[in-house]
Amino acid sequence: SAVISQKPSRDICQRGTSLTIQCQVDSQVTMMFWYRQQPGQSLTLIATANQGSEATYESGFVIDKFPISRPNLTFSTLTVSNMSPEDSSIYLCSVAEGREQYFGPGTRLTVT
Amino acid sequence: SQKIEQNSEALNIQEGKTATLTCNYTNYSPAYLQWYRQDPGRGPVFLLLIRENEKEKRKERLKVTFDTTLKQSLFHITASQPADSATYLCALEGTGFQKLVFGTGTRLLVSP
Repeated sequence: SAVISQKPSRDICQRGTSLTIQCQVDSQVTMMFWYRQQPGQSLTLIATANQGSEATYESGFVIDKFPISRPNLTFSTLTVSNMSPEDSSIYLCSVAEGREQYFGPGTRLTVT
Repeated sequence: SQKIEQNSEALNIQEGKTATLTCNYTNYSPAYLQWYRQDPGRGPVFLLLIRENEKEKRKERLKVTFDTTLKQSLFHITASQPADSATYLCALEGTGFQKLVFGTGTRLLVSP
């Protein structure tokens, strides 16, 4: 199974600023996924990132708030823009092998 | 509306007993359903996938059932161990291929 790393593992940011989260996979994958897990909640899919095309966003998530880059088949970034305390969450990236998904360790973001 | 529900209350059992967790869904017609384990501070880990035409699937001490009439999946851990203590999430495809929607998760606590 794929091994996924994320940077940073955690950060504390001030409201109004932006944070870019990096996701690195140890193998080439077609699609990468970004999820959010708010405190005490389950995972919610933010967007799907394909290499060479625009990310596809789920209902309730927009590119201006969560721009995504996918420059190659092993790397993606998610930016959380103009942050507010409501953005405090764990952000996870994942890749799929068939229908099974493999997740990174997550980035714990706290916005003050 | 579409929902995936798991018992939000923690399940406390004694070591050696069988743990049974429930996942109910509404207004989905999934071709398959998955179960993941999530430990604090970590991303979910894939455990099992069951297809709609499979009534039961086993892997070591784990067993999953899938009843598309009841719209329910049951997840069993036999001979439970303290190391099985974690949150268990069910998931199914929501808006498209590999785009998972997760249940709320059930926390399992196995005491020695």
